[in-house]
Amino acid sequence: DTAVSQTPKYLVTQMGNDKSIKCEQNLGHDTMYWYKQDSKKFLKIMFSYNNKELIINETVPNRFSPKSPDKAHLNLHINSLELGDSAVYFCASSQVPSRTRETQYFGPGTRLLVL
Amino acid sequence: DAKTTQPNSMESNEEEPVHLPCNHSTISGTDYIHWYRQLPSQGPEYVIHGLTSNVNNRMASLAIAEDRKSSTLILHRATLRDAAVYYCILRDDLDTDKLIFGTGTRLQVFP
Repeated sequence: DTAVSQTPKYLVTQMGNDKSIKCEQNLGHDTMYWYKQDSKKFLKIMFSYNNKELIINETVPNRFSPKSPDKAHLNLHINSLELGDSAVYFCASSQVPSRTRETQYFGPGTRLLVL
Repeated sequence: DAKTTQPNSMESNEEEPVHLPCNHSTISGTDYIHWYRQLPSQGPEYVIHGLTSNVNNRMASLAIAEDRKSSTLILHRATLRDAAVYYCILRDDLDTDKLIFGTGTRLQVFP
């Protein structure tokens, strides 16, 4: 019973392509997030959604577009992939936003390699 | 965002206690101290959090200095499975929900 799942686990693609990563959580949480972990292992938030509404949008190129069809799913679409997009992308969820006591639950990550 | 400082790496032997320090001298009164860890090739996972008092759970203990400018994550008996990068994170009660990760401490556990 995976709490936060992501597909695919690995993604290898050419520069210039468009790709999507999917995330689903079965915890009944209201808030979902995308984080990016670069080659230096630095982990940084990209987006957060609460009940399908965008809450956090860090300085991310507009080639990245999150989409939340319902509160259990948050997908990440990336247009015109660049070499620098190679990273591990983690999805996470929590019960409510803006509460310091709420734990975030992370998925296993999607390893994206752009050639 | 208030910043944390952690050693880059630490080592321990299996079944020994481990004390992972974190300095947060600019912590504000509304900041909670959270610890997450990231096992190899996995997503981060929550370990423990606290505000002022020491906290215990099944995974670890959190000791918070009286002035709150530092804290220590305590693993009572390290196992090989505890080898991970441990992140100390401050979360502001008034701020948004994002977790701001630093570089963390890489813990190696030897048999």
